[in-house]
Amino acid sequence: EVQLVESGGGLVQPGRSLRLSCAGSGFTFDDFAMHWVRQAPGKGLEWVSGISWSGSTIAYAGSVKGRFTISRDNAKNSLYVEMDSLRVEDTALYFCARAKYSDGYVVGFDYWGPGTLVTVSS
Amino acid sequence: DIVMTQSPVSLAVSLGDRATISCKSSQTLFYSSNNKNYLTWYQQKPGQPPRVLIYWASTREFGVPDRFSGSGSGTDFTLTISSLQAEDVAVYYCQQYFTTPYTFGQGTKLEIK
Repeated sequence: EVQLVESGGGLVQPGRSLRLSCAGSGFTFDDFAMHWVRQAPGKGLEWVSGISWSGSTIAYAGSVKGRFTISRDNAKNSLYVEMDSLRVEDTALYFCARAKYSDGYVVGFDYWGPGTLVTVSS
Repeated sequence: DIVMTQSPVSLAVSLGDRATISCKSSQTLFYSSNNKNYLTWYQQKPGQPPRVLIYWASTREFGVPDRFSGSGSGTDFTLTISSLQAEDVAVYYCQQYFTTPYTFGQGTKLEIK
């Protein structure tokens, strides 16, 4: 059974840093691109960042570019995001999600973790 | 960035009736080299992560009931639930994967009338 479990969320002051982790199991982790998606309380979904299976291709949303760094360790079946210079508006439930493929293309995200809550507040 | 705009923001439909949700993109999501529209529909129920319903704008995900269908091309897309069931109460999102950032629509909350 495919499972994704995020960890590392919590309460942090504005301007500080936090590192989130996502542990994958039940699938061959290094066969899949992985992504972070967030959802502010009571709000919609926002794609944050994605990384290819090898780590060679990375992309960020404009709202986090220069502040967040995505990475992965395929030997540990794990995905990470280092979040620096956190802002109040980064407060959200952070999901990790596995890329879904069709005909060799990414067509969305087929498995998601339950999320880890990040609260940025003084 | 490609902006995704859904309408309506909320929708109340009677059980057994049809529900229709619109999604418009600020740029075409049609890629002529493979004749595909790069759009996915998700369903999110309270306290759960999203679930893929439809990808390539009209391909139903395995296990999704056939009352769910997707249509449209270019910049205009529609998710249709042909006969609303109680378990379909959820928020529905469209997402483009034509280019990063992979933007979502703002969501449509579907309720029972």
